[in-house]
Amino acid sequence: GAVVSQHPSWVICKSGTSVKIECRSLDFQATTMFWYRQFPKQSLMLMATSNEGSKATYEQGVEKDKFLINHASLTLSTLTVTSAHPEDSSFYICSASRPGGNYGYTFGSGTRLTVV
Amino acid sequence: DAKTTQPTSMDCAEGRAANLPCNHSTISGNEYVYWYRQIHSQGPQYIIHGLKNNETNEMASLIITEDRKSSTLILPHATLRDTAVYYCIVRVPLTGTASKLTFGTGTRLQVTL
Repeated sequence: GAVVSQHPSWVICKSGTSVKIECRSLDFQATTMFWYRQFPKQSLMLMATSNEGSKATYEQGVEKDKFLINHASLTLSTLTVTSAHPEDSSFYICSASRPGGNYGYTFGSGTRLTVV
Repeated sequence: DAKTTQPTSMDCAEGRAANLPCNHSTISGNEYVYWYRQIHSQGPQYIIHGLKNNETNEMASLIITEDRKSSTLILPHATLRDTAVYYCIVRVPLTGTASKLTFGTGTRLQVTL
């Protein structure tokens, strides 16, 4: 149980376009999801916390107008990278927690974004 | 937030136990220690977590010192598939039902023949 599906697994887009990444909890309801970004040979950096039915909470230094997060249902959160630039190329990973608090968090398989 | 310190890298021979240390000297009384690992180009995988008692599951054992300032993840019989970056994380409490996880630099474990 506790499977998180992330789609697409990789995407190439042109500079200036927008890209949407989906994160779904397949067998549980996720009231909270987290979005991370990881550059090569670096650790995961938390970008934002996504709460179902409310606005996301962004970490310091993350542009909320550039990285749009929508958590419209208990099983789906989306991250849209708007007006993408080559420096946005990275590995994006989502994570979900089940209600109740003290469970191991489940991560998606990640999305490799390349902006050309 | 309680920070963690881990060695940058470790090697382990296949079939031997891998012992991965983590220091978290500023941990608070209500904070848990979580261990995750990340195999190259995949999302992190949950391994184990604990508060103050030692824990064991099918993947690993977690030994937490009595003062809770450090812990050790033990993979009893390492295989080549255990080659990954291992992250020791102290959970930061937040209001609501979930707490964010902040990743440090982790330990790159290389299991060799």
